[in-house]
Amino acid sequence: AQSVTQPDIHITVSEGASLELRCNYSYGATPYLFWYVQSPGQGLQLLLKYFSGDTLVQGIKGFEAEFKRSQSSFNLRKPSVHWSDAAEYFCAVGARGGNTPLVFGKGTRLSVIA
Amino acid sequence: KAGVTQTPRYLIKTRGQQVTLSCSPISGHRSVSWYQQTPGQGLQFLFEYFSETQRNKGNFPGRFSGRQFSNSRSEMNVSTLELGDSALYLCASSLDQGQTYFGPGTRLTVT
Repeated sequence: AQSVTQPDIHITVSEGASLELRCNYSYGATPYLFWYVQSPGQGLQLLLKYFSGDTLVQGIKGFEAEFKRSQSSFNLRKPSVHWSDAAEYFCAVGARGGNTPLVFGKGTRLSVIA
Repeated sequence: KAGVTQTPRYLIKTRGQQVTLSCSPISGHRSVSWYQQTPGQGLQFLFEYFSETQRNKGNFPGRFSGRQFSNSRSEMNVSTLELGDSALYLCASSLDQGQTYFGPGTRLTVT
């Protein structure tokens, strides 16, 4: 069965520092991969997605992620974090061409300090 | 283009009652999915509807049900509420497989 692991429950970074959030997935075939962000009390906003092609994908708010098939990873990065990036981040995997639902990781909570 | 909308945003119910939540997908999207989010279990898939038919169902008891109307709007119903049903219920819509957009959620509190 497909699964997503986000090893870091909580990460604290200084404003202006770089960020990398880890995501590992288990899936029988090449999946669709997503990163979502959730601010307190809000729904999920899609940051970026990987379907095929270039393994480095750009998203909104200056985020990018790299798909590494050999490592079954899809880590999220940002070169310089802003205080407004403090939120919870979810990695998710979905099926290609199928009708199965998204499977989410448990999330990583990002805190940003001055 | 308007996003996914959910009503109500907040709801307080008593154990044993039932509740209906509503979701309007993005215009043109025919697939609507529902997820339950709790601190302990995270995001869990409830069910998906496509063109008024349930296409997928998660591992939830029969107290959780849903439907979709011809205009793609969807409702989910929870009967005989339990304390453990307190959660954020998220609706998501998609045009095709993979491009999934979420609404702001309905926060249900069961007392």
